[in-house]
Amino acid sequence: GNSVTQMEGPVTLSEEAFLTINCTYTATGYPSLFWYVQYPGEGLQLLLKATKADDKGSNKGFEATYRKETTSFHLEKGSVQVSDSAVYFCALSVLSQNYGGSQGNLIFGKGTKLSVKP
Amino acid sequence: NAGVTQTPKFRVLKTGQSMTLLCAQDMNHEYMYWYRQDPGMGLRLIHYSVGEGTTAKGEVPDGYNVSRLKKQNFLLGLESAAPSQTSVYFCASSYSSRPGTGNTIYFGEGSWLTVV
Repeated sequence: GNSVTQMEGPVTLSEEAFLTINCTYTATGYPSLFWYVQYPGEGLQLLLKATKADDKGSNKGFEATYRKETTSFHLEKGSVQVSDSAVYFCALSVLSQNYGGSQGNLIFGKGTKLSVKP
Repeated sequence: NAGVTQTPKFRVLKTGQSMTLLCAQDMNHEYMYWYRQDPGMGLRLIHYSVGEGTTAKGEVPDGYNVSRLKKQNFLLGLESAAPSQTSVYFCASSYSSRPGTGNTIYFGEGSWLTVV
């Protein structure tokens, strides 16, 4: 089946530290990969995405590269800020027949809480 | 640009009561979804709809019903609320999927439901 595994948190970093949040997946077919971010008290927002192998998604200083050979989509940022404190979700979308037709339902990891200290 | 809007944002229910969560999207999306988010569980799909007048079960449909009478609205009903349904509920929507495209899903801000 399709699944996403991401590193468990919480992750606590000092401002300007380097961030890596690991994400690996299993999927049948050709998945698209996403990172969503959830700030305290808010809904999920799309952070970045990649739709095919070797694509790099980037946004707000965050990057993730779709690695088919290692089935990974690790999230990185070179210098985190206090405002990056949030929960980060890795997700995949695969066109499949599982839900009675072809549609790209999202499958989420459990989320990683990031806290950045001044 | 409103995007995906959910109402109400907060609600406390007594066990056995019923209620409806309303989701509205103004992006002319075909697909709409209801997820629930629980600590340590990520998001799980409750029900979804691939177009007006259609609904289907997701991963955790028991205890919920949905309706999609209009393309822009997707309602989630709790028939007889139970404490296990205490959760944060997210509505989402997307365009129809096509092979080779990333299916970006847009989320509402969430509805916090507590069943006592």
